[in-house]
Amino acid sequence: QKEVEQNSGPLSVPEGAIASLNCTYSDRGSQSFFWYRQYSGKSPELIMFIYSNGDKEDGRFTAQLNKASQYVSLLIRDSQPSDSATYLCAVIMDTGRRALTFGSGTRLQVQP
Amino acid sequence: NAGVTQTPKFQVLKTGQSMTLQCAQDMNHNSMYWYRQDPGMGLRLIYYSASEGTTDKGEVPNGYNVSRLNKREFSLRLESAAPSQTSVYFCASTFGAGVGLNEQFFGPGTRLTVL
Repeated sequence: QKEVEQNSGPLSVPEGAIASLNCTYSDRGSQSFFWYRQYSGKSPELIMFIYSNGDKEDGRFTAQLNKASQYVSLLIRDSQPSDSATYLCAVIMDTGRRALTFGSGTRLQVQP
Repeated sequence: NAGVTQTPKFQVLKTGQSMTLQCAQDMNHNSMYWYRQDPGMGLRLIYYSASEGTTDKGEVPNGYNVSRLNKREFSLRLESAAPSQTSVYFCASTFGAGVGLNEQFFGPGTRLTVL
């Protein structure tokens, strides 16, 4: 079983719609959760981080965390073609190491 | 502020050759990391350095060595390159101390091909 799981996609949504990206993790003791966006041929870029249960909003992005269900999600409102990218979920599972464990990523396609 | 820089951007090696990938950060971060990214597999941790003077193995350390030269620089060495090491290599850094300071920032990557 992979430690951080994401649906590889592609997830296709029309421009202006809400894109919902999901991630589950195996380590119940995980404390820190991150969403990165990666355009083809580029490095990962941090979009959001969340540490506490509930929602965290930043502009068009909302991260949701449910530690009881070991589930973290990213909502993108008013999706734009420029949001088309691979979204990587990452979790810090070993707080001593503070290294990220990544999911394989979900490819998002926003159709104009 | 350049953030995290990596050299070279591209490299082609023959099996058995050696090389060093360089990484530097100017954000006064304590912790630095090396990841590799293969198609469909996300990023996997090779080695990390929690602070200057310390290094530890990650998920896939075999075939690699690292040096934390000073607080700014963290290098990755392939002693005898193998085709299985063909990948994109990313360096990252973070303050690494306390909740709220774990956000990692990535360099542009090195695309390595081993023939």
